Amino acid sequence: QKEVEQNSGPLSVPEGAIASLNCTYSDRGSQSFFWYRQYSGKSPELIMFIYSNGDKEDGRFTAQLNKASQYVSLLIRDSQPSDSATYLCAVNMGNQGGKLIFGQGTELSVKP
Amino acid sequence: KAGVTQTPRYLIKTRGQQVTLSCSPISGHRSVSWYQQTPGQGLQFLFEYFSETQRNKGNFPGRFSGRQFSNSRSEMNVSTLELGDSALYLCASSLTAGLTYNEQFFGPGTRLTVL
Repeated sequence: QKEVEQNSGPLSVPEGAIASLNCTYSDRGSQSFFWYRQYSGKSPELIMFIYSNGDKEDGRFTAQLNKASQYVSLLIRDSQPSDSATYLCAVNMGNQGGKLIFGQGTELSVKP
Repeated sequence: KAGVTQTPRYLIKTRGQQVTLSCSPISGHRSVSWYQQTPGQGLQFLFEYFSETQRNKGNFPGRFSGRQFSNSRSEMNVSTLELGDSALYLCASSLTAGLTYNEQFFGPGTRLTVL
């Protein structure tokens, strides 16, 4: 079992819709969770991080964390074509300093 | 505020050679982490440095090494290059180390091609 798993996609949504990206992790001791966006040929860009159960909202983005289910999600409201990218889920296990374990990423395509 | 800078942006080397990559973190940030990104393996952690000390190391062979200077700038070195070392090498900067809630900000990366 991989430590951090994401559906590779591609996930295709129409413009204006809600995109839902999911991530599961294997280590129950994991402390903090990060979502990065990576455009083709570019480096990852931090979108949000979350470490408490529940929801965290920032503009059109909402991160959701359920530690009991070992599940993190990212919702993108009013999706735009410019949101088309690969979304990477990263987990800090809590006992290895700043080391982040990344999922393989989910490719999102927003169709005009 | 300037972001993370990495040099060079592109490198082409041949098998057996060695290479040194450089990273300058965001001003005021003292921790630098290095990651390797390949299409097959995704993003994998190489090592983390803080206060000129390696704090953490990933599962890479000893050919991969790094260091950090007193101004927080970091270098990583790969010796005896292999074809499989072709990858995007990313440096991430964070304010401090040892905290699980640190936000890490990535530089543009160095694209290494080994022929």
